[in-house]
Amino acid sequence: EPEVTQTPSHQVTQMGQEVILRCVPISNHLYFYWYRQILGQKVEFLVSFYNNEISEKSEIFDDQFSVERPDGSNFTLKIRSTKLEDSAMYFCASSGWGQREGPNLNTGTQYFGPGTRLTVL
Amino acid sequence: RKEVEQDPGPFNVPEGATVAFNCTYSNSASQSFFWYRQDCRKEPKLLMSVYSSGNEDGRFTAQLNRASQYISLLIRDSKLSDSATYLCVVNEGGYQKVTFGIGTKLQVIP
Repeated sequence: EPEVTQTPSHQVTQMGQEVILRCVPISNHLYFYWYRQILGQKVEFLVSFYNNEISEKSEIFDDQFSVERPDGSNFTLKIRSTKLEDSAMYFCASSGWGQREGPNLNTGTQYFGPGTRLTVL
Repeated sequence: RKEVEQDPGPFNVPEGATVAFNCTYSNSASQSFFWYRQDCRKEPKLLMSVYSSGNEDGRFTAQLNRASQYISLLIRDSKLSDSATYLCVVNEGGYQKVTFGIGTKLQVIP
């Protein structure tokens, strides 16, 4: 069964350093996402990406964050200057085409990678 | 008002019990609804999509009430392996973000 993969599984960095989190979405998917989950809190949306551009981003996704699809398989999240509060689990997700249910277009189901635990010291 | 609300629990139930979770959402234009399961420090995994007509998958039944803007999940004959956090997830349309509830923690006890 195809799956989303993420590397590294755990990243420890010093405050102010740049980190790049990597994801390989499911191969025939077209829509890619990053979420984060601070310990004990809910999963929060960061950004969605389609057709080589950002389609939506949250308030969390400020100028410190960027995403890129450098080749046909990888999808990366870069944090330019990490802060203590960036410590969290970062999940990548991807989805394919949705399905119609009556007049509604249901989004393709999002499948999540195992996450990268980012610890900022 | 929170976009997606869930009772965080925990719900402690004995093996074999039936347990139900509810979730409410604030955006009446929401189009897609899902239940995900999350084990401790793991990624969310899709349990089931929720359709207007309701749907069942083995011991799991999901219902959607658009008029009242709530979604439910019923688990019958609970197993120890059902212990996890159940996340209510809502999409407002298209291929954009989904919004997660805080999750309801279920602990099935022997």
